[in-house]
Amino acid sequence: NAGVMQNPRHLVRRRGQEARLRCSPMKGHSHVYWYRQLPEEGLKFMVYLQKENIIDESGMPKERFSAEFPKEGPSILRIQQVVRGDSAAYFCASSSLSGSSETQYFGPGTRLLVL
Amino acid sequence: ELKVEQNPLFLSMQEGKNYTIYCNYSTTSDRLYWYRQDPGKSLESLFVLLSNGAVKQEGRLMASLDTKARLSTLHITAAVHDLSATYFCAVGPGNQFYFGTGTSLTVIP
Repeated sequence: NAGVMQNPRHLVRRRGQEARLRCSPMKGHSHVYWYRQLPEEGLKFMVYLQKENIIDESGMPKERFSAEFPKEGPSILRIQQVVRGDSAAYFCASSSLSGSSETQYFGPGTRLLVL
Repeated sequence: ELKVEQNPLFLSMQEGKNYTIYCNYSTTSDRLYWYRQDPGKSLESLFVLLSNGAVKQEGRLMASLDTKARLSTLHITAAVHDLSATYFCAVGPGNQFYFGTGTSLTVIP
């Protein structure tokens, strides 16, 4: 009974490079959420996706960041031309229903360090 | 924007003592969640509170929700070292969760 899976767990990039973070939701879950956690802070919502659709991207920066959840395969959070301020832990969560009482289950996170 | 505030931000307590963490939020919501996070780890779901007056208990932790006051509490009874972690409350009126700032709890032997 695999939970939410994320990879890589740790990612180091130099400024200007691209970062790709992957998330596979729990089996049976079709709703994926991405959050960012800066050191010593709570999680901040970035984007909510269902298969092949972005439902809510109100928390995602307008530039350099994009997300997708294709029909097949994991959800991808992509950060282009990374800057030092992008260094953070990025968590993916999944749920089976949205806007309901269903809790969101979190993956182990990807810790991105930009040098 | 919905704001979620926790206090205290840092809590150091001795084993065996009791304490309460508070979570206030700014907009109506009838769903509140408590999570635990150990250093360098992900978030573990502790409680889901779905209605006014809801109370849930698991071991030494008990959570309650007052939707009229927009307040949830996480009460720790007879703390033990294993409870040392950061505790987050989150409010989920819609698709996204709004997280509090977290309470870093250290239980001292």
